[in-house]
Parts: sequence; structure tokens; C-alpha cells
Amino acid sequence: SYELTQPPSVSVSPGQTASITCSGNKLGDKYTSWYQQKPGQSPVVLIYQDNKRPYGISWRFSGSTSGNTATLTISATQAMDEADYYCQTWDISTAVFGAGTKVTVL
Amino acid sequence: QVQLVESGGGLVKPGGSLRLSCAASGITFSDYYMSWIRQAPGKGLEWVSHISTSGSTKYYADSVKGRFSISRDNAQNSLYLEMNSLRAEDTAVYYCARLNGDTAMGYFDYWGQGTPLTVSS
Repeated sequence: SYELTQPPSVSVSPGQTASITCSGNKLGDKYTSWYQQKPGQSPVVLIYQDNKRPYGISWRFSGSTSGNTATLTISATQAMDEADYYCQTWDISTAVFGAGTKVTVL
Repeated sequence: QVQLVESGGGLVKPGGSLRLSCAASGITFSDYYMSWIRQAPGKGLEWVSHISTSGSTKYYADSVKGRFSISRDNAQNSLYLEMNSLRAEDTAVYYCARLNGDTAMGYFDYWGQGTPLTVSS
């Protein structure tokens, strides 16, 4: 079965840029979405179709894809960005999520 | 505004059965694929199943295939998940989510608050 690999954790200082990677076989040939989940809350979509932001999502969140890796970038990181982040793609009409990355704002 | 409200979770013994429901409002329910996604305690998100707009096409994760059944009632704006032969590893919060788009480009744009299921003797 298809797998997406994310780093378990990323640390970032306030105001700096955080990058979260998501790798999978031929991921560049698929579309990737990114979700943010804060403790006790439901996930929220941040990025879809690799690099599109839904209405209402901050410009500080951006997505890109190259080769086998998709990247979520958080610019000018704020304390409120501390959360778990999940990438997601599709493989033969089934949805696949990465294991998640915990972002800590130090 | 869009609301997805799950219900039906609870405590079930191993081998037991349960049906989850998701009531949708604020959307044209019949226009969208709908999905169930779960999250075990302290773990990540796991896609469980989704169903096409008419209900004619259904997909399941290997972990639940043959035990779970997804269905929908477009007249009632409701999504269901019938769960049989439940195992301890099915313990999770179950989310109902709307799929915006198809199963190649789509994304989950609205999520319910989740309903918890515990499978334990």
C-alpha cells in the first residue's frame, strides 16, 4: 500500500520559517493536501492541490511539490501555529495520510 | 454555515456492532462524495471509507474491508457507517468529512467534531 513519510517533529522559533516535508513514491505525479490539527479540534485544510489555499487560510501557509516530496512552508511562524500537520494524497481512489508532524514553536 | 454532526459512538465489546451517523446541513449534500476518517488515541489520521454522490461507489481501507459498510441517505442529508466484528484497534474518534472534488484531486474541506468509539471488554 502507498505510504507518505513525514518527520515526527519540527521545531521553529517565532517569526522564522518552518518547512514540513512529505515524501512518497512519485508523489509529484499526484495532488497533495495539507491539514492542521490543534489539540482537541478537528483537522482544517490548509493547502489543496499542492499549492492552493482555501479561502480564509493565512498567506503564511504555502505548499510546493518537487519530485517525490511535497513541502508545507509556514512563514513568520506564530505561537498559534503550534499543532500537528498532516499531508494527504490519493492512491487508486483511496485517501492516504502521512503520520503527521508536530510543530513546536520555541 | 456548513455543519457535519456525527453521533452514535460509544463503548462496544470486541466482536460487537455499531452504526455511526453524520447529519449534514448548510450544503447540497447530494452533490458531494462523503468520507469517514478516524483517529486512534494519540495517533494520526486514518482514512476509513468514502461514498460517491449517488451511493453507488464505495471504497474502504484494507483495515476495515468486509467489516464496515458506508451508506448515505440524500433525502435525509445523512451519512452512515455500519461497523461489525469490532476490534480493539478500531478504537478511535470517527470523523465525517466532505470531499471537495474527486478521488484524485479532492480534499476534505469540512469535518465534523467527531464521535468516539471504544472497543473494549
